[in-house]
Amino acid sequence: GQSLEQPSEVTAVEGAIVQINCTYQTSGFYGLSWYQQHDGGAPTFLSYNALDGLEETGRFSSFLSRSDSYGYLLLQELQMKDSASYFCAGATGFQKLVFGTGTRLLVSP
Amino acid sequence: GAVVSQHPSWVICKSGTSVKIECRSLDFQATTMFWYRQFPKQSLMLMATSNEGSKATYEQGVEKDKFLINHASLTLSTLTVTSAHPEDSSFYICSGRRDPDYEQYFGPGTRLTVT
Repeated sequence: GQSLEQPSEVTAVEGAIVQINCTYQTSGFYGLSWYQQHDGGAPTFLSYNALDGLEETGRFSSFLSRSDSYGYLLLQELQMKDSASYFCAGATGFQKLVFGTGTRLLVSP
Repeated sequence: GAVVSQHPSWVICKSGTSVKIECRSLDFQATTMFWYRQFPKQSLMLMATSNEGSKATYEQGVEKDKFLINHASLTLSTLTVTSAHPEDSSFYICSGRRDPDYEQYFGPGTRLTVT
């Protein structure tokens, strides 16, 4: 089967840096995406790693290591508005996404 | 660009009735549309994948006769929950993808409550 595991909750303070990990067990993921979802809202795309290594997009960076079946999302200079749920998602054949268990990030003042 | 809308945003229906949810890509042609279900505080679970003009492909465990999906055009897909029961109450989210892009663009979701 395919599964992607994430910590259920992470807390941090404004201005800090936080890393959200994603470990997966699957065969045939083409890449790893990250999505942000505020309560009651739609998931919004943050980043995609097709290759091993680090991808940087503003305050957000994402990393993938296929050999370790592991990736992470790094959020820098945290803001209150970053409080949300974050999901990693594995891209499979036929462009399908398998979502991780999700991590709720709570940013405090 | 790449905006997806859903209608209605929320719906309450009685047990045993059917409910139709629309998913529209407003500014692009969605070659493929996906339907997800999300229970409170849980992840998104893919229900089915549909390509325009073709029958939907359902994930294991999803009843195709209960969740009817139609993708009649490149900008519209519908999900009909037939004979709804309280356990079908959930947040239903669609997404669209356009060739040859990989990224999926998500709709705002529809909250279904079955009483």
